[in-house]
Order: sequence, then structure tokens, then C-alpha cells
Amino acid sequence: DAGITQSPRHKVTETGTPVTLRCHQTENHRYMYWYRQDPGHGLRLIHYSYGVKDTDKGEVSDGYSVSRSKTEDFLLTLESATSSQTSVYFCASGRGGPGKNTEAFFGQGTRLTVV
Amino acid sequence: GQQLNQSPQSMFIQEGEDVSMNCTSSSIFNTWLWYKQDPGEGPVLLIALYKAGELTSNGRLTAQFGITRKDSFLNISASIPSDVGIYFCAGQEGGSEKLVFGKGTKLTVNP
Repeated sequence: DAGITQSPRHKVTETGTPVTLRCHQTENHRYMYWYRQDPGHGLRLIHYSYGVKDTDKGEVSDGYSVSRSKTEDFLLTLESATSSQTSVYFCASGRGGPGKNTEAFFGQGTRLTVV
Repeated sequence: GQQLNQSPQSMFIQEGEDVSMNCTSSSIFNTWLWYKQDPGEGPVLLIALYKAGELTSNGRLTAQFGITRKDSFLNISASIPSDVGIYFCAGQEGGSEKLVFGKGTKLTVNP
């Protein structure tokens, strides 16, 4: 499995505060993804990156931004946290893009609670 | 965004039984992946499929890439208690870089 770590693993924050979640991978994977997991919704793509400084939106990107300044790091920022952003966030990374080596490997997740 | 329809949502079976679940899309996919998630953990990749009609096994697990390229199936034979978890299908639509997931199938195995 890919060496992929997320930090923090748990966080409680107040509504309206900014929050940054970190994802670090040691596999030199080109692609990285951020998902959120909520009961009844499965895993929904927030943003993804196909290279350093190259990012694009997923299906639930409103209220989130991302940055990738190095191959190994992908940051997810909630500019002003809301209670609807309480969720478990997963980061994943993989080698390839469309149609080749698409396998993505996941971190352990970050449980975020917005109060 | 692209929707993957995964069914059933949940299954309750007896140890030793076979299990089948499937995933469908409204458009053609180039890749189908199957993952398993244990409580408190991230999803773990089980099987990857890249060609229409492809049938791939991983131990007691077998998955197939549908010929229409709009569906995929996962079968688990002779289930055991450690098969308990949530199984997700995932895929990439043709020409897309996004990896999207179904809502999952929660499997319970009674000893």
C-alpha cells in the first residue's frame, strides 16, 4: 500500500473558523484526491490534483479549497467551517490518470467535527 | 456529477454463503475498482478492472467489468466473518480524471 498519512486524525473546531487538513504521501504519486464520507452518501469527491499546482473540482467542492505545492503534499482548507462540513475526510493518491494505473490508495481519514 | 448506483445497500448473510453485488453507471467507464472498508479505517483496494469483459479474481473475490462498460459485479464465495465491512465500487468515466464512488454495500456475516 502507498505510504499516505493524514493529519490531524481528529479535530473539533468552531463554526466560522478556518481549518486545514494535511495529506502526505511517500510514493511519488502524481494524482491525489480529497473525499468526504457521510452516512448514506458513500465517498464524495471534493477536489483532486493531477500534478504540482494542478487541481480541479470534484462533485462537492463548495466551501473547500486545495493546494499542492509539492508532489507529496495535498492540503484541504475549509475557509469558514460550517456544521454541514462535519464529516470524515479521506485523502487518496495514485500513479495514473484516465484509463491507466488508476488505483488510488487511501489514508486513515480525519474525523472533523464543527460545533 | 456522475452517479454510480451500487446495490444492494446492505446484505445480511450466513457464514459460508456466496455474495453478489453490483454497480451501474449512466455512461461508459474505462476503469472499475472495488474497495473494502473496515470500521474506522480507509478503503482498501481489492480488485482493479480495465477492459470490458475482464474477469479478475483475488482469493475468494471475483469481479467483472461489464461488456457494456456501464456496470461491474463483485462476487464473494464462501463468506467468512472477516468479510464484514462496506464494499465500494469506484470508476473513471471515459476521458475523465475523476475517480468517483458508489454509496457502498454494507455486508454483515452471521457465524
